[in-house]
Amino acid sequence: QSVLTQPPSVSEAPRQRVTISCSGSSSNIGNNAVNWYQQLPGKAPKLLIYYDDLLPSGVSDRFSGSKSGTSASLAISGLQSEDEADYYCAAWDDRLNGWVFGGGTKLTVL
Amino acid sequence: QVQLQESGPGLVKPSQTLSLTCTVSGGSISSGSYYWSWIRQPAGKGLEWIGRIYTSGSTNYNPSLKSRVTISVDTSKNQFSLKLSSVTAADTAVYYCARELFTTTGDAFDIWGQGTMVTVSS
Repeated sequence: QSVLTQPPSVSEAPRQRVTISCSGSSSNIGNNAVNWYQQLPGKAPKLLIYYDDLLPSGVSDRFSGSKSGTSASLAISGLQSEDEADYYCAAWDDRLNGWVFGGGTKLTVL
Repeated sequence: QVQLQESGPGLVKPSQTLSLTCTVSGGSISSGSYYWSWIRQPAGKGLEWIGRIYTSGSTNYNPSLKSRVTISVDTSKNQFSLKLSSVTAADTAVYYCARELFTTTGDAFDIWGQGTMVTVSS
């Protein structure tokens, strides 16, 4: 059971927009920044969004992040087949004094 | 371009100690505002943070693993290491090392190693 809660899977058609939610609590998302990671099949995770809504250099602006209270969301617009991957949210947890991850969401582009 | 590479045995017997090393190339492990972390992922499952170390030697560990984990750093070799004692089959996973960049705006794992598979089995 992960500390942060994500839907196990989402799916959408190419060129459409999809959102992935991440729910936490006051000790993690409610008080600290949220990061999102993309994990392509068989690969290591890659930083996608940091500090709630910032894009690292080289990441497509089709990806965006937002946060409100103890929940965060990742949005992907203009879906492409190459976006099929697992997506993880993460935040520092003040109570556990460590990083916590969501269980991951598998994105399928129909 | 900084790169991380994990190394160590791919097979560990139950009750023994898992030992892995992460070698940092393309930059000094002592430079900049970085923590150095270990993260694992059982097959088909999500990511679990194990712990981190700063080059001063300061560490933080996942409370669920704290009694079995030791992370150390060797700045002369540009490496940091993980030891996990009393392993069981539940410790079978891909183990990643990662660099955690910390700034005034937030911390994030910005560079990851490719991962190394460790199986616990007799």
